[in-house]
Amino acid sequence: DGGITQSPKYLFRKEGQNVTLSCEQNLNHDAMYWYRQDPGQGLRLIYYSQIVNDFQKGDIAEGYSVSREKKESFPLTVTSAQKNPTAFYLCASSFGTLNVDTQYFGPGTRLTVL
Amino acid sequence: GQQLNQSPQSMFIQEGEDVSMNCTSSSIFNTWLWYKQDPGEGPVLLIALYKAGELTSNGRLTAQFGITRKDSFLNISASIPSDVGIYFCAGQGETSGSRLTFGEGTQLTVNP
Repeated sequence: DGGITQSPKYLFRKEGQNVTLSCEQNLNHDAMYWYRQDPGQGLRLIYYSQIVNDFQKGDIAEGYSVSREKKESFPLTVTSAQKNPTAFYLCASSFGTLNVDTQYFGPGTRLTVL
Repeated sequence: GQQLNQSPQSMFIQEGEDVSMNCTSSSIFNTWLWYKQDPGEGPVLLIALYKAGELTSNGRLTAQFGITRKDSFLNISASIPSDVGIYFCAGQGETSGSRLTFGEGTQLTVNP
């Protein structure tokens, strides 16, 4: 099956700990994205990568870090510097085509920091 | 930056009714996308629009890309209980590369 997988579905961490969220896609997409969603809100872009070994900050990058060493993988690290990390995190991917692109989403990871 | 206004924020309807929601932008978009999100899940793409004036259907769903390229609407006909969820519009601007701007979402509740 082709698609985007995120693991784990639920994640609990103690305050002050870094945590890494996994995102893998087998759609042969060049571009990948990380969004944060808070209850009752829309999606806010954290980081995105349009090609391997390159990534850019989105609108709310502070307290997060990413890497893009492989085309299929785009892990997100929520660092202890992120002041309010509890949220629903969504990964997406697309071909990255200008002007006619379509993003597809993974199932999400709900992070709770205790 | 680009902003999307999505309305209404929420809708409460009876099963069988038709539904309409829309998004307007402060700037021109080249792509309009409509997604549905169920609780605790990732958004699922419903309809993609790539051309001004384009009208596209997907079963009971119909969406249009506005002529001005600054708006789009989504209609759902003969709603059923499984239509419940949050519907998001998203647009790709002329200068945003592959980045999308998302609306705040429309929460749809369908009463049987």
